[in-house]
Amino acid sequence: SAVISQKPSRDICQRGTSLTIQCQVDSQVTMMFWYRQQPGQSLTLIATANQGSEATYESGFVIDKFPISRPNLTFSTLTVSNMSPEDSSIYLCSVESGTGGGEQYFGPGTRLTVT
Amino acid sequence: GQQLNQSPQSMFIQEGEDVSMNCTSSSIFNTWLWYKQDPGEGPVLLIALYKAGELTSNGRLTAQFGITRKDSFLNISASIPSDVGIYFCAGQLVKTSYDKVIFGPGTSLSVIP
Repeated sequence: SAVISQKPSRDICQRGTSLTIQCQVDSQVTMMFWYRQQPGQSLTLIATANQGSEATYESGFVIDKFPISRPNLTFSTLTVSNMSPEDSSIYLCSVESGTGGGEQYFGPGTRLTVT
Repeated sequence: GQQLNQSPQSMFIQEGEDVSMNCTSSSIFNTWLWYKQDPGEGPVLLIALYKAGELTSNGRLTAQFGITRKDSFLNISASIPSDVGIYFCAGQLVKTSYDKVIFGPGTSLSVIP
């Protein structure tokens, strides 16, 4: 299984500012995913990020609010822009296992609090 | 859109008891996945199921892919305190090409020593 790290692990930010979350994988992967997990809730997919192409966003999420970079096969960033308290969540990146069965390995998450 | 339902929403059990939880949908899934999430961590994959009727074990965990393709269950035998966490089922609708994985709302498990 892939080993995934995220930075920062947590942050407290002021409203109106932006935070960039980094996701690093220990092996090359084609597909990376970004999820949001609001307090006490399940995981909601924000976008799918493939290297060399623009990210594909799910309904309710837009590039201006959550710009994503995928510069190579082991790294991705998610920026949460112009934050408001409603953006307080855990943000998780994941990678597909490569078996084609949909299995994903998750990073430890970034816990964001917006004041 | 497609939705997954999990039951029960939460469980409180005595250490040593067996646990059963399930996941249902109105849509047909080609893959069922079960994850566990500990506090402050990302979800960890427990079991993956690929065929209707498939029964798969991972230690004390057993999961089955329902015959109708619209449900799955997870059993935990002889629960221990480290089983505490949130268990998510997840499903993938399309197998031949990538489609997004949909997560259920989770079942919170508490084990009383």
